[in-house]
Amino acid sequence: AQSVTQPDIHITVSEGASLELRCNYSYGATPYLFWYVQSPGQGLQLLLKYFSGDTLVQGIKGFEAEFKRSQSSFNLRKPSVHWSDAAEYFCAVGARNSNYQLIWGAGTKLIIKP
Amino acid sequence: EAGVTQFPSHSVIEKGQTVTLRCDPISGHDNLYWYRRVMGKEIKFLLHFVKESKQDESGMPNNRFLAERTGGTYSTLKVQPAELEDSGVYFCASSQNNYGYTFGSGTRLTVV
Repeated sequence: AQSVTQPDIHITVSEGASLELRCNYSYGATPYLFWYVQSPGQGLQLLLKYFSGDTLVQGIKGFEAEFKRSQSSFNLRKPSVHWSDAAEYFCAVGARNSNYQLIWGAGTKLIIKP
Repeated sequence: EAGVTQFPSHSVIEKGQTVTLRCDPISGHDNLYWYRRVMGKEIKFLLHFVKESKQDESGMPNNRFLAERTGGTYSTLKVQPAELEDSGVYFCASSQNNYGYTFGSGTRLTVV
């Protein structure tokens, strides 16, 4: 069965420090992979996605993610976080059916220390 | 372009009562999805409309949940009667025929 694991429920980093959020997936083929962010009071916003091609994907707000097939991972990174990055981050995989349904991880809450 | 609108943003109801959540998708988006996040858990698929038809409702928890999409426009999700375990955040999203979702801000439902 398809599944997504985000092993870190909370992560705290200092403003200006680098960030890596982990995501592992279980899938029988090359997946479609996504990272979304939910800021307080906001809807889910797409940060970036991987469908094929270059395994290093650039997204909005200075985020990037790298697809590593051998590790079944799609970790999200940012070289220097800002206080406005405090939010909850969700990794998702696209179910390979006709519905474009997403299968989600449990989310990682990012806390920024001043 | 208006986004996906959900209301109410919050709802607190007593166990056994009925609640109706509404989602207005982006105009022209044939696909409409409902997802739910129970506290601290992963977001889970509930169902998918294509226009006014239910394409997939395999994620609906039980027959206390009823979803409709009138004329292929807005959608409602009714919970009747509500139980404590129905508490969570209900997300609606719309898209054209791809993964280009636009999400609403969600409805936080609390059943007490």
